[in-house]
Amino acid sequence: EVQLVESGGGLVQPGGSLGLSCSASGFTFSSYAMHWVRQAPGKGLECLSSISSDGGSTYYADSVKGRFTISRDNSKNTLYLQMNSLRAEDTAVYYCVKDYGNYVWAFDMWGQGTMVTVSS
Amino acid sequence: QSALTQPASVSGSPGQSITISCTGTSSDIGGSNYVSWYQQHPGKAPKLMIYVVSNRPSGVSNRFSGSKSGNTASLTISGLQAEDEADYYCSSYRSSSTHVVFGGGTKLTVL
Repeated sequence: EVQLVESGGGLVQPGGSLGLSCSASGFTFSSYAMHWVRQAPGKGLECLSSISSDGGSTYYADSVKGRFTISRDNSKNTLYLQMNSLRAEDTAVYYCVKDYGNYVWAFDMWGQGTMVTVSS
Repeated sequence: QSALTQPASVSGSPGQSITISCTGTSSDIGGSNYVSWYQQHPGKAPKLMIYVVSNRPSGVSNRFSGSKSGNTASLTISGLQAEDEADYYCSSYRSSSTHVVFGGGTKLTVL
């Protein structure tokens, strides 16, 4: 069974840092680009960051560029998102997402999501 | 304000067909075939319904179809069923930012 399981969400103060992890199983992780997509409460979807299958290329939305870092460890089938300088507007459910291929830019498998709340 | 423009809501009766539009620019929808559609039920993760403009992933009903003309993509759902009631999001690769942008979402109500 294809599965993505995120962890690491929680409550953090403005200006703080948080690291998310996503454990993948049921498919050849190293063959697919991966993404982080977030959804603020009651709002739409935003693709934050993407990484190629081999980790050699990464992309970031302007809203998180310079603050968030995406990475992956293909030997551990794990995707990461390091989030620094967090702001109230970063409060959202964060989804780990599998690409249909290597940058087909279609997201065919989603994790259950992990909630990140930025508040004092 | 979302990068792609979708109607906030659409509605239809069971058995009818509805179309949801998604309007962008020549930098995204007009210049890319990486257009996708997602269905999201309340409290659930989104589900891929259409990719590369008009392709359906395995397991998605053939009642769902996608198309594109110029800077506008469309999702058509035929033979509406109660379980189709959900939020629908379009997305497109945007060449100017080398990344994906989403529409604001459309709430489909089955009357």
